[in-house]
Amino acid sequence: KQEVTQIPAALSVPEGENLVLNCSFTDSAIYNLQWFRQDPGKGLTSLLLIQSSQREQTSGRLNASLDKSSGRSTLYIAASQPGDSATYLCALTSGSRLTFGEGTQLTVNP
Amino acid sequence: NAGVTQTPKFRILKIGQSMTLQCAQDMNHNYMYWYRQDPGMGLKLIYYSVGAGITDKGEVPNGYNVSRSTTEDFPLRLELAAPSQTSVYFCASSFGQESYGYTFGSGTRLTVV
Repeated sequence: KQEVTQIPAALSVPEGENLVLNCSFTDSAIYNLQWFRQDPGKGLTSLLLIQSSQREQTSGRLNASLDKSSGRSTLYIAASQPGDSATYLCALTSGSRLTFGEGTQLTVNP
Repeated sequence: NAGVTQTPKFRILKIGQSMTLQCAQDMNHNYMYWYRQDPGMGLKLIYYSVGAGITDKGEVPNGYNVSRSTTEDFPLRLELAAPSQTSVYFCASSFGQESYGYTFGSGTRLTVV
């Protein structure tokens, strides 16, 4: 059974800081990994999708990496802004299922 | 370009009542999913479907039923609602080929009192 862990559970940083969110998983037989953003009381917004054959994806200030051999993914956010405050979820596709971590709640303070 | 549409957005049920949460997608996706999210937690898979007429249980299927008569629609049925089913429910879809990502609906917030 795939298990996904996100560390830290919560993170508070000052505006402008670069930060890294971590995601680890137990089964390396994955098809892809996706990072989502969730604002309070809202749905999920897809940020980045990394195919199993890829090692990283970039979108603007966001960079996500994937290392299947170590069972880890990181989401790097450059020059953080208050508008980045949200919960960030990683999710992995293995078989027919998408398995989520419990998320990292990020607060960026002005 | 609607994507995944969930209705209703909010609902309050009394213990023992039943209801159906609707989910529709217009992207011709084969795979559809129902998740629930409890406060401060990640998403848990309830049921999923890999195509019309095919459904399977996820991690937390007890107390729920689904059907998939068309590619577009994947309703989730709650029979005999219980307070433990108070949660936010998300529907999602994908093409089903593992190289593609997932699209989520905006959620249904259900309270059972």
